Parts: sequence; C-alpha cells; structure tokens
Amino acid sequence: EPEVTQTPSHQVTQMGQEVILRCVPISNHLYFYWYRQILGQKVEFLVSFYNNEISEKSEIFDDQFSVERPDGSNFTLKIRSTKLEDSAMYFCASRPGRTDGELFFGEGSRLTVL
Amino acid sequence: ELKVEQNPLFLSMQEGKNYTIYCNYSTTSDRLYWYRQDPGKSLESLFVLLSNGAVKQEGRLMASLDTKARLSTLHITAAVHDLSATYFCAVVGAGNQFYFGTGTSLTVIP
Repeated sequence: EPEVTQTPSHQVTQMGQEVILRCVPISNHLYFYWYRQILGQKVEFLVSFYNNEISEKSEIFDDQFSVERPDGSNFTLKIRSTKLEDSAMYFCASRPGRTDGELFFGEGSRLTVL
Repeated sequence: ELKVEQNPLFLSMQEGKNYTIYCNYSTTSDRLYWYRQDPGKSLESLFVLLSNGAVKQEGRLMASLDTKARLSTLHITAAVHDLSATYFCAVVGAGNQFYFGTGTSLTVIP
C-alpha cells in the first residue's frame, strides 16, 4: 500500500542551526501539507502546498520556515534558525486531488532543539 | 481561523461500556474526518464524513455528522482495550487545509 515516508525519524540540533525535514508523498497525490505536534498537544497546521506553490500557511509558518518541492517526489520543510520552541513532531501529509480525499500522514520526524 | 473543539479531552472507561466523543466546529464545513493516534505514532484515518446526516461505522466505532449543528460524534460501543488511543476530528477550511480538534485521549480499563 502506498505510504508517505519521512526522514529523518529523529533529529537533534542546536538552537540557531538550520534543519531540513524531508518527505516523499504518495505518488499520485496533489496536495501536500506539513503539520506539527508538540508532545501531547494538538496537531497544528503549518502549510499546504499545491501546484508547486504554497496555498495556505498558518501564523506559525513565519519567515523562519520554508517549503520546497525540489523534484517530482520530495517535499521538504526547512527551518532556518531553530528555536527551543520548535521542538516537536513534524508530520508530512498528502492527499489526492479529489475534494473529498482524506489526508495520509507520514510517521513523523521528531525534532529536538537543544 | 476555524476552531475545532472536542470533548471530553480525557476519557477513561471500562471495557464493555459505551461512550460518545463530541466534535464541535466554528464555521460551515461539509467535510469532517476522524483520525486515531497511538502514543508516539502517526495519525491513521478512521472515517470520512462528507454530508449532513452522514453515518459511518467500523467495528465498535460509529461516526456521524450534523452540519447544521456543526457537530460530529464518535460513538464507542462495548469498548475494548485495543481502542485506547487519542482520537482527533478534523474539519476542512476554505483553503483546503485540515484543522484538527484538541483530541480526546481514551483509556479503556480492563
């Protein structure tokens, strides 16, 4: 069964360092998302991406964050200068083009900022 | 921003009992999804509800949607330990982003 894959599963970084989280969405999906979940808390929307551009972003997604789809398969989230409060689980998700499609989530990348 | 609230936030129930989790949302939407998350794991899709009055059932779980009341319910029948998890509802906003509820952490006690 097709699945969303994410790497790395866990990354530890120092405050102020740049981090890139990678995702390979399901191949025939058209919409791509990043969410984050701070331990034990709700799932927060960061950004959605469609047709090679950002379609929506939340207040959390400030200038420190960027997304790219550098080729036909990968979808990356970059955090330019990490802060302690960026420590969270980051989930990539994708969904098909039809309007009723549900989100399919990857296993997540746990980011720990020290 | 679309707000999605669930209650209760925490639910401890005995095996064999029934209970309902509620999901309220703040603006009009005709698409609602339920997800399950096990500790330390990803989110798994449970139900897709696409119209007013929609009802879906899978095993001991049944979900329904009332778009006029902006309310969805997830009913648990005769709970078993394997249902212990956190359950999230999600509502689709105008920009096709999914807004997730606060989550309900369910513990089923033998």
